[in-house]
Amino acid sequence: AQKITQTQPGMFVQEKEAVTLDCTYDTSDQSYGLFWYKQPSSGEMIFLIYQGSYDEQNATEGRYSLNFQKARKSANLVISASQLGDSAMYFCAMREEYNFNKFYFGSGTKLNVKP
Amino acid sequence: DAGITQSPRHKVTETGTPVTLRCHQTENHRYMYWYRQDPGHGLRLIHYSYGVKDTDKGEVSDGYSVSRSKTEDFLLTLESATSSQTSVYFCAIPSNTGELFFGEGSRLTVL
Repeated sequence: AQKITQTQPGMFVQEKEAVTLDCTYDTSDQSYGLFWYKQPSSGEMIFLIYQGSYDEQNATEGRYSLNFQKARKSANLVISASQLGDSAMYFCAMREEYNFNKFYFGSGTKLNVKP
Repeated sequence: DAGITQSPRHKVTETGTPVTLRCHQTENHRYMYWYRQDPGHGLRLIHYSYGVKDTDKGEVSDGYSVSRSKTEDFLLTLESATSSQTSVYFCAIPSNTGELFFGEGSRLTVL
């Protein structure tokens, strides 16, 4: 079974609007971490935000927030006030802390921000 | 920033030839990982290492081998490259704050 599922291959959003990128995960571990990465067309992987499985509050980093719903096993990324520079691939990832800290990635969502 | 470099950054080779990609870190980290990135698949774990001479298979290890004789170097070898191994390969290590830190990537084309 897929560990990480991103069901939106591509999305469009108008500049200055908010957008939500979906991510669901599958694990039987109690302790895990959830991450979002951005990959611009230049190819580097940029870490955006982290949520621990025991964190009770949703993580926020500037314009990024992670909508963590543990019972649903979802970890959606919300980008507020989209900017043209937000156009990129976005990957959701999960770290299994009792499994050699291995990270599993989703297939990604291509976000295009329209002016 | 974590010090992690990959070489070569770009390589074109022919089917059946051996290829070795090198990952070098200056962070003295115990864990190192090799991923491949393909459209529609995201990043998939090939092999990982949890110490010198301690390695194990990931999700897509067929056709690949690895070696870690020193803490700082993690080598990925394609013994006999095939066109299906055309991909972008990323090496990664955990950062001090827990997220995975990636090298710049190595683009491999197998003709």
